[in-house]
Amino acid sequence: ETGVTQSPTHLIKTRGQQVTLRCSSQSGHNTVSWYQQALGQGPQFIFQYYREEENGRGNFPPRFSGLQFPNYSSELNVNALELDDSALYLCASSLEALNYGYTFGSGTRLTVV
Amino acid sequence: GEDVEQSLFLSVREGDSSVINCTYTDSSSTYLYWYKQEPGAGLQLLTYIFSNMDMKQDQRLTVLLNKKDKHLSLRIADTQTGDSAIYFCAERGYSTLTFGKGTMLLVSP
Repeated sequence: ETGVTQSPTHLIKTRGQQVTLRCSSQSGHNTVSWYQQALGQGPQFIFQYYREEENGRGNFPPRFSGLQFPNYSSELNVNALELDDSALYLCASSLEALNYGYTFGSGTRLTVV
Repeated sequence: GEDVEQSLFLSVREGDSSVINCTYTDSSSTYLYWYKQEPGAGLQLLTYIFSNMDMKQDQRLTVLLNKKDKHLSLRIADTQTGDSAIYFCAERGYSTLTFGKGTMLLVSP
């Protein structure tokens, strides 16, 4: 059984650029969520995908968008990067019927300069 | 709205018990979780409790839930230096987890 893998591990972008972060879900998990964790804070929910459809969204602007693919891998896209987008981005997968936990990846550290 | 509060810092000596506390506001939460985060790493699920339980024990970990007061605690018995990390309490809503800001646990030899 594989865990959740994210790529890249670290990334530096310039303000105004666009970025794509990738996540490979745990085998068999059909639900993926993305979280933003700013330094010294707890993770904040961005959105969730279930069977390739957005299934919930947190308080993030539309320039944060996502995709989930039939193989349950997913992407987080952020357009028009701002300095405040600098954070650790975490992907979490779950099998919806099993509510006992989400498996998190190690995250992508994004720095916007 | 949903909000999860935790104390920010706890320092204990190796071998002592650690108790990390959390309060939450969403009475409809079905599951409550404890996650551990080591420096530079993602979140590791430690344990969880269903909202109709009041206690759960898992090896060195004991979770206590007081639904009336919306209070959750995590007790770590025989705390080791390897337990030093940030611990997050989280409540589950419909499609989200709402996390506290985390409690930094420092274990000294």
